[in-house]
Amino acid sequence: NAGVTQTPKFRVLKTGQSMTLLCAQDMNHEYMYWYRQDPGMGLRLIHYSVGEGTTAKGEVPDGYNVSRLKKQNFLLGLESAAPSQTSVYFCASSYGGFGELFFGEGSRLTVL
Amino acid sequence: AQRVTQPEKLLSVFKGAPVELKCNYSYSGSPELFWYVQYSRQRLQLLLRHISRESIKGFTADLNKGETSFHLKKPFAQEEDSAMYYCALRSGGYNKLIFGAGTRLAVHP
Repeated sequence: NAGVTQTPKFRVLKTGQSMTLLCAQDMNHEYMYWYRQDPGMGLRLIHYSVGEGTTAKGEVPDGYNVSRLKKQNFLLGLESAAPSQTSVYFCASSYGGFGELFFGEGSRLTVL
Repeated sequence: AQRVTQPEKLLSVFKGAPVELKCNYSYSGSPELFWYVQYSRQRLQLLLRHISRESIKGFTADLNKGETSFHLKKPFAQEEDSAMYYCALRSGGYNKLIFGAGTRLAVHP
């Protein structure tokens, strides 16, 4: 039982490159989230999904796109990476609207 | 605006000393508050939630609506309590959380 798994764990990009972060959960959770963590700012919500085929914007969605084609997977895409997107990205999932959030280990992204 | 404030970036104490990690919130409505913890090389995980009114690993937190606070307390700190602690507020449905900036607790022997 792996819980929430994020890939890759580390990535270095050049400005303008694109990439996708994959989040997979094996707990049959409906809700999934992408957060970014920056020094001194805590975690901020980028996008979230309340079920397969649905996505919604969070607090800081600009520059990111997401997809939830399968219930267990939530993808975060950067179409044209910028240095401001250098951050640690966390995926989380929960069973429903009131449950505990389960987090992945994080993905450290550096954009040069 | 909905906001969670943790005024201390770092709290350094000696083993056996009392600990209080401060959390203040701004929210119009009935708040639901949580403490999440991240130990070294581990995932962020739920420590406790105010609605449960429980003690986890010796930690307690009381919601004070008058002072809009949800401080985390432990009477006698242990070295294994050293970690990053985040206060979080459930906001706007769909289990979305607003996190504070976090406080690093360092417990020295």
